[in-house]
Amino acid sequence: AQSVSQHNHHVILSEAASLELGCNYSYGGTVNLFWYVQYPGQHLQLLLKYFSGDPLVKGIKGFEAEFIKSKFSFNLRKPSVQWSDTAEYFCAAANDYKLSFGAGTTVTVRA
Amino acid sequence: DARVTQTPRHKVTEMGQEVTMRCQPILGHNTVFWYRQTMMQGLELLAYFRNRAPLDDSGMPKDRFSAEMPDATLATLKIQPSEPRDSAVYFCASGSASPAYEQYFGPGTRLTVT
Repeated sequence: AQSVSQHNHHVILSEAASLELGCNYSYGGTVNLFWYVQYPGQHLQLLLKYFSGDPLVKGIKGFEAEFIKSKFSFNLRKPSVQWSDTAEYFCAAANDYKLSFGAGTTVTVRA
Repeated sequence: DARVTQTPRHKVTEMGQEVTMRCQPILGHNTVFWYRQTMMQGLELLAYFRNRAPLDDSGMPKDRFSAEMPDATLATLKIQPSEPRDSAVYFCASGSASPAYEQYFGPGTRLTVT
C-alpha cells in the first residue's frame, strides 16, 4: 500500500510571502498525484493534478507543483500568498481508483 | 456546474440511534467514495464503489457501519448503533475513469453523537 507524507503540519506566513509545501509518496509505480485545498468549514477542492508529461503543473489560484520522480516528491508552491489562501492543504496519490491522502498542512496567512 | 450533494449537512443524535447519510454523485461518474475526517485521524477512506459495486470497505467498522448504492444516483452510509466516537465529518466523493482518478467532493455531513 502506498503512503503520502506531508512535511509540515502548520505553516504561518505573511501576505506576499512565498509558500512551498512538501509532499512525498511511497509508491514506485505509475501514480497520479493531486493537491486538494480545504477552506475553513468547506469541502475539499482540487487545486491541481499530475498524470504525466510536463512535471511542472499549474493549477488554480496561482498554485503550481513540481513532480520529481527521483525524489518521489510533489511539492506545492505559490510565489505570493494572500490572506484568502488560509486553508488546509492535502497532497494525495492515486493508484487505480484509490486515493491516499497525506495528513494535511494547515496554512495560516497573516494580513 | 455539476456537484456532489450530501444530506443532511448536519446531524446531532444520541448514542445508540441509527444515522443514515446520503450522497448524490455527479451524473455520469461511476465511482463513489466515503471518507471520514477527524482532527485526530485526518481523512480516512471508509468505502468505495465502482459501477455501484463495493470494491473496498476495509476502512469501515463492519459491526456498525454499512454502505450501499441502491442506484446510480444515490449512495448511503449508515451507522447503527451510533457511538460518540463516530462524531466526525463524513465526505462523499465521486469520480470517473476520465480524467483518471480525479475525485470531486461533496460538502460533507457533520455528525455529532452525544
